[in-house]
Formats: sequence, C-alpha cells, structure tokens
Amino acid sequence: HVTLRESGPALVKPSQTLTLTCTFSGFSLSTSGMSVTWIRQPPGKALEWLARIDWDDDKYYIASLKTRLTISKDTSNNQVVLTMTNMDPVDTATYYCARMRLIATTYFDYWGPGTLVTVSS
Amino acid sequence: QSVLTQPPSVSAAPGQKVTISCSGSSSNIGNNYVSWYQHLPGTAPKLLIYDNNRRPSGIPDRFSGSKSGTSVTLAITGLQTGDEGDYYCATWDSSLSGGVFGGGTRLTVL
Repeated sequence: HVTLRESGPALVKPSQTLTLTCTFSGFSLSTSGMSVTWIRQPPGKALEWLARIDWDDDKYYIASLKTRLTISKDTSNNQVVLTMTNMDPVDTATYYCARMRLIATTYFDYWGPGTLVTVSS
Repeated sequence: QSVLTQPPSVSAAPGQKVTISCSGSSSNIGNNYVSWYQHLPGTAPKLLIYDNNRRPSGIPDRFSGSKSGTSVTLAITGLQTGDEGDYYCATWDSSLSGGVFGGGTRLTVL
C-alpha cells in the first residue's frame, strides 16, 4: 500500500526559504525506475511540475525556478525534501509530492494529499 | 501559458459522452507517453490514464485515452455528476527535461 504525505510550514514570509518534506511508504526510492516528484497548484490555477529525484539520484528541475529549488532524498528514512529559496507571494500554492514511474514511461501514480503554503508578511 | 493546450471547459448532460483534447509538440506528446489526471475539489489529483491509453486498476472503462501525433484525447462516457471537476494531461518534455501539464479542463455535468 503506497502512501505519501507532505509536511512543512503553512505560512512563510517573503524572502524566506521553504522546506517541504515528503514522507512515503510502500515503495523504496532505491528501486530501479522509481522517482518522487513535486508539483504545485496556485489557487485557481493549473498544476505545475517542479522537480524530480530518481532512484539513482538524478535530479531535474523546472527551468523557471531552477536557481531556487533543491531536491534531495533520504532513502533510509523514505523521505524526499524540497527547498525553495527567496519565497514570494506568487509562490502561494498547494504543494504535492507524488510517486513517479519511469522506465519507458512517465506518470504520477500516487499522490500525497497536498499541503497549502501561504507566502505573506 | 501551459506547454500543453487544453480547452478551459467542457460540459455535457448526465449519461452523455465528452472528450477533452490536449495538444503539444514533438518534444513532449509526440515522443513521450501521456497521462491524464482527475482533480476533484478538496482532493489530490488521481491518475486516470497512463501510457496514452491504459487504465490503472480501479478506473472504470468509461474513461479512455487515445493519441494521434502530437495530440491526445480523453473520452468519458456515461457521464455522472461525480465526474465534475478538473482534468489535466501531463507528459515529459525531452527538450525542457521536465514534466509538463496542460492548463486543465473544467468538466461540468449539466
């Protein structure tokens, strides 16, 4: 049974750094073809893919935010951490982590419930 | 402006059929598998279709996907009021080296 859950602050101030943790169970990020990804949805807007980390520690980032994002994994504790620097009110969104299947395909088969992050002073 | 283009909204009556299109380019849809997600209010997105036309276990066959060139289509038959929500296409973009979503389509069951 695969589950993922996001955790982190609900409120951050502009210019601060956001740290989100995705804690998962039911699979191992050391298994070939596994990946965990972060996706966000600003209020009233579309889903936006942010970053991905693979079982072999390959990392990918959305180009527009690449300088602000860092993704890392703690395989032994089944966690993936996303940090976003220099937060701005436009970064207010629900942030989701999801398991991503690779190996000749790409799709997000399990999602966490999401965590709403508000950026405001 | 999303990399993948979807109509903002579609609507149909209960029991009817609706289709949602998603268009892209050779760097994304044209050369990669596409997936579809249902996003109902207050819930996490749910995988409906993967690999262009495959359904995960538990997804009814009322939902189907197809692909032609750089476009894909999600079809939903036997519409139910519980199908109301937002639908997104997604794939990997080989030129961007990143995931991309469509802008989402709001389905209204009249």
